Amino acid sequence: GAVVSQHPSWVICKSGTSVKIECRSLDFQATTMFWYRQFPKQSLMLMATSNEGSKATYEQGVEKDKFLINHASLTLSTLTVTSAHPEDSSFYICSAQVEAGNTIYFGEGSWLTVV
Amino acid sequence: GDSVTQMEGPVTLSEEAFLTINCTYTATGYPSLFWYVQYPGEGLQLLLKATKADDKGSNKGFEATYRKETTSFHLEKGSVQVSDSAVYFCALTLIYNQGGKLIFGQGTELSVKP
Repeated sequence: GAVVSQHPSWVICKSGTSVKIECRSLDFQATTMFWYRQFPKQSLMLMATSNEGSKATYEQGVEKDKFLINHASLTLSTLTVTSAHPEDSSFYICSAQVEAGNTIYFGEGSWLTVV
Repeated sequence: GDSVTQMEGPVTLSEEAFLTINCTYTATGYPSLFWYVQYPGEGLQLLLKATKADDKGSNKGFEATYRKETTSFHLEKGSVQVSDSAVYFCALTLIYNQGGKLIFGQGTELSVKP
């Protein structure tokens, strides 16, 4: 079964609204989580690295005020797309690194459509 | 910059056919290389990996050899099954102990017909 769960799997929102995507590690503690996005027929691109209890580290070109990442506990990180626009429509996927280890587990991904 | 290039899909094969999915990379250092698989409706799962030149990763009948001279990490399987239908991603990381910072190829969809 899944060890990293993302919710929601699919979301449609109106332009200008905000939407939150959750990433949970189900049976382990994850000090570090990663957020990726993928446009159709393109690579998954790392957006940010999220560390529990500290500010996320964003990759170059990713707007930190638009993509708010919160890692409030060792089992939960959230990505909030603020004031969403149609160009934010994409596949978002998180991964979680097992504490003190190199093992990485990915979530199922979340499809966001902004209309 | 560092990048990964995969052959475009979709790839459609008959059951028991031989599979090759090409993957080449560009990296400034000495990357670790990975193949991930994503079955319909599921998250990415690590399929195999190799951390240095000439290493061969293998799992579930799939294998890939880290070729530094050709900067390649092609995925192969001798006899595919319908259950192998999925999207396959080649990826690299330059920081092994930060394995979550991965650079992915665009993914190759494989469809295996009975």
